[in-house]
Amino acid sequence: ETGVTQTPRHLVMGMTNKKSLKCEQHLGHNAMYWYKQSAKKPLELMFVYSLEERVENNSVPSRFSPECPNSSHLFLHLHTLQPEDSALYLCASSQVFGGPYGYTFGSGTRLTVV
Amino acid sequence: DAKTTQPTSMDCAEGRAANLPCNHSTISGNEYVYWYRQIHSQGPQYIIHGLKNNETNEMASLIITEDRKSSTLILPHATLRDTAVYYCIVRDNYGQNFVFGPGTRLSVLP
Repeated sequence: ETGVTQTPRHLVMGMTNKKSLKCEQHLGHNAMYWYKQSAKKPLELMFVYSLEERVENNSVPSRFSPECPNSSHLFLHLHTLQPEDSALYLCASSQVFGGPYGYTFGSGTRLTVV
Repeated sequence: DAKTTQPTSMDCAEGRAANLPCNHSTISGNEYVYWYRQIHSQGPQYIIHGLKNNETNEMASLIITEDRKSSTLILPHATLRDTAVYYCIVRDNYGQNFVFGPGTRLSVLP
């Protein structure tokens, strides 16, 4: 384990379903991130949270809804997704937002929308 | 947009040094060079970063040219487990995010 745990590892959902992805870190980090990686594409930043406040939202459709209840947990709520939303969803954390620190990534949730 | 250019792919023989180049000709004075790698279907893994001086840790060495327009990541003794996509990213430490490009796909061959 890398210190950032994502569940579930795999998820298959229909277009009318509602599901949530969970990310948990016990590294004492204050910033958390959601990235999306579609097949054969670079990682795309979706959301940034610093001290539980959203600091960035990169034009992500409203069918993706993040939630950060505390600095250790981050959720991505999904509803009425499209097949093109199938991708690897990665969570990451860092000590602080910005700063000379690398990110620690989780292993991701492989999402398939049918 | 990614501010770096890297070769699409490289091969390296097992046990030899892998030298991965990165061009970042528009790097500004307060931007650092970071390297990550991503093994198939896993999350990216931080490797190393530097500003001006060469850096070394237990995973790799980072050599930055004096004009800072390019750098090289060196894996001194590549193993099969080093097969991955390697990303070179430039970023300041005042709130910029990490922007991942396509990276270099390194294949370590037996």
